[in-house]
Amino acid sequence: GAVVSQHPSWVICKSGTSVKIECRSLDFQATTMFWYRQFPKQSLMLMATSNEGSKATYEQGVEKDKFLINHASLTLSTLTVTSAHPEDSSFYICSARAGGWGETQYFGPGTRLLVL
Amino acid sequence: EDQVTQSPEALRLQEGESSSLNCSYTVSGLRGLFWYRQDPGKGPEFLFTLYSAGEEKEKERLKATLTKKESFLHITAPKPEDSATYLCAVQGKGGSTLGRLYFGRGTQLTVWP
Repeated sequence: GAVVSQHPSWVICKSGTSVKIECRSLDFQATTMFWYRQFPKQSLMLMATSNEGSKATYEQGVEKDKFLINHASLTLSTLTVTSAHPEDSSFYICSARAGGWGETQYFGPGTRLLVL
Repeated sequence: EDQVTQSPEALRLQEGESSSLNCSYTVSGLRGLFWYRQDPGKGPEFLFTLYSAGEEKEKERLKATLTKKESFLHITAPKPEDSATYLCAVQGKGGSTLGRLYFGRGTQLTVWP
């Protein structure tokens, strides 16, 4: 149980294009989903948190207009990197939580983005 | 702000050599402490959740314990397949929106045959 998927697993795009990453909770309903970014040999950096049907809450320093997050249903959240540039190249990981405070976050397998 | 410090940063063990990983934390009211395992190029895999001091949980060769200031992940007779980065995270009662996790930098464990 508690499986989270991400699609695509890796993507290469040209600078200036937009990329959409999907995060799905496969066997539970996720009231809250989280998006992280991870640089090589570093820990996870939280980008934003979203509840189903609500606007995402972004962490300080994360550009809302660049990283668009939609949490349209209890099993799907999407992250769109708009007008991607080489500095956006990174490993993006989502997580999902079924309940409220104290409940476990389950992570997806991650998406490797390379912007040329 | 809630903080998590993990030690050591890296640990090399011979197969069968037991050891412990440490996670020290400061948090405004602990809602939960979480251990994850992360393999290179993959997302973190959930291992344990601990909620209160004195609590212990076990899974195969791993045992997690919790005090009011730190948590330990004990690895008994590790095997090469236990090699990974182990992440510790806490969720506090105060502060940030929607119960975010604060992660440590992780301990990179290598078990050689």
